[in-house]
Amino acid sequence: DVKVTQSSRYLVKRTGEKVFLECVQDMDHENMFWYRQDPGLGLRLIYFSYDVKMKEKGDIPEGYSVSREKKERFSLILESASTNQTSMYLCASSYAWVGEQFFGPGTRLTVL
Amino acid sequence: DQQVKQNSPSLSVQEGRISILNCDYTNSMFDYFLWYKKYPAEGPTFLISISSIKDKNEDGRFTVFLNKSAKHLSLHIVPSQPGDSAVYFCAAMGSGGGADGLTFGKGTHLIIQP
Repeated sequence: DVKVTQSSRYLVKRTGEKVFLECVQDMDHENMFWYRQDPGLGLRLIYFSYDVKMKEKGDIPEGYSVSREKKERFSLILESASTNQTSMYLCASSYAWVGEQFFGPGTRLTVL
Repeated sequence: DQQVKQNSPSLSVQEGRISILNCDYTNSMFDYFLWYKKYPAEGPTFLISISSIKDKNEDGRFTVFLNKSAKHLSLHIVPSQPGDSAVYFCAAMGSGGGADGLTFGKGTHLIIQP
């Protein structure tokens, strides 16, 4: 079974803090993704990566950056957290470029 | 503009009966469709997918039907079981694959009544 894990289930941070969200997958997938989920808006793609050190912007990259130094790990970074970044963050990975993505359990981030 | 629409926020079905969840899309560039199931406080779990070259795909109790001309797909669950109670998301992907990400609907909360 594909396993995607995220470093924290719940996180509370202050405005202006730098925040790191970590994601690890154990299936040797090339592709990894970060989404955020908000009520009434569904899931929206923030960033994705198709190889180590490769990254591409998704639909809503503003205020975020990512890092992929190892194949199994994809980090989402909030350089200076703001209250409008309070959300559920979901990491996913996939083997095929067109195909199912497997999701982690999510991190519920609250920025005060 | 919402490109993937699930017009029923909730659906209640009796245990043992068929559950039918519907999804409409507007983007004709979508060519791969997926259904995910989500429990509270968990990430979405992949259920079943279908490519645009097919009109039906079956996996156990789950069948997905695709009507390209109507831009409509549906998920059938037969027979429905109490453990099927969850939120179901329809998702679509274009030919750009992962570069486009998955476009999700807003979900349908399926409730299986005993």
